[in-house]
Amino acid sequence: NAGVTQTPKFQVLKTGQSMTLQCAQDMNHEYMSWYRQDPGMGLRLIHYSVGAGITDQGEVPNGYNVSRSTTEDFPLRLLSAAPSQTSVYFCASSPHRGSYNEQFFGPGTRLTVL
Amino acid sequence: GQQLNQSPQSMFIQEGEDVSMNCTSSSIFNTWLWYKQDPGEGPVLLIALYKAGELTSNGRLTAQFGITRKDSFLNISASIPSDVGIYFCAGQDGINAGKSTFGDGTTLTVKP
Repeated sequence: NAGVTQTPKFQVLKTGQSMTLQCAQDMNHEYMSWYRQDPGMGLRLIHYSVGAGITDQGEVPNGYNVSRSTTEDFPLRLLSAAPSQTSVYFCASSPHRGSYNEQFFGPGTRLTVL
Repeated sequence: GQQLNQSPQSMFIQEGEDVSMNCTSSSIFNTWLWYKQDPGEGPVLLIALYKAGELTSNGRLTAQFGITRKDSFLNISASIPSDVGIYFCAGQDGINAGKSTFGDGTTLTVKP
């Protein structure tokens, strides 16, 4: 199993550009999430999904869109990039096991918006 | 929203020393998790706690789920250089594993 994969690893955008961060998992996990990590801070939840076709907002959803058309993929779209979106983005997945709630994280995408 | 206060923010210790860090919350959690993040990587789960009062060990790591369900601590005994990294606590208030609240992390430096 490759686990959770994210592409690209690094990206530089200009203000106003749009792009999609890709996330895929091959563990057949129901739950997937997107977090951003800013220097000296923990991970803040952007959007999450409990299954194909179902998404919901997290703590910091503004400026981001998601969709979940398949179990495996959960792309994150930046609609019009702003310097405040410079961050490291992590995708995570977890199985639905009731009380067993371990999340598996991808290696991250480091995004700089100029 | 829910907030987790994690302390200390950073620690500089000598190899062989024991380490203790904790998290407190303004609200109750059903699950407490502790993760470690190495530089340039995503967090990896160390210990998961599911019951108030639970004490769980994983090698040199020990974590406890506070009785009030609003706090948790992590101890590392006899630290070694590879313990260097950022340690995060995370809380979950339901069975939706996609929705965790994370602390701001404790950065651990171990001097050989």
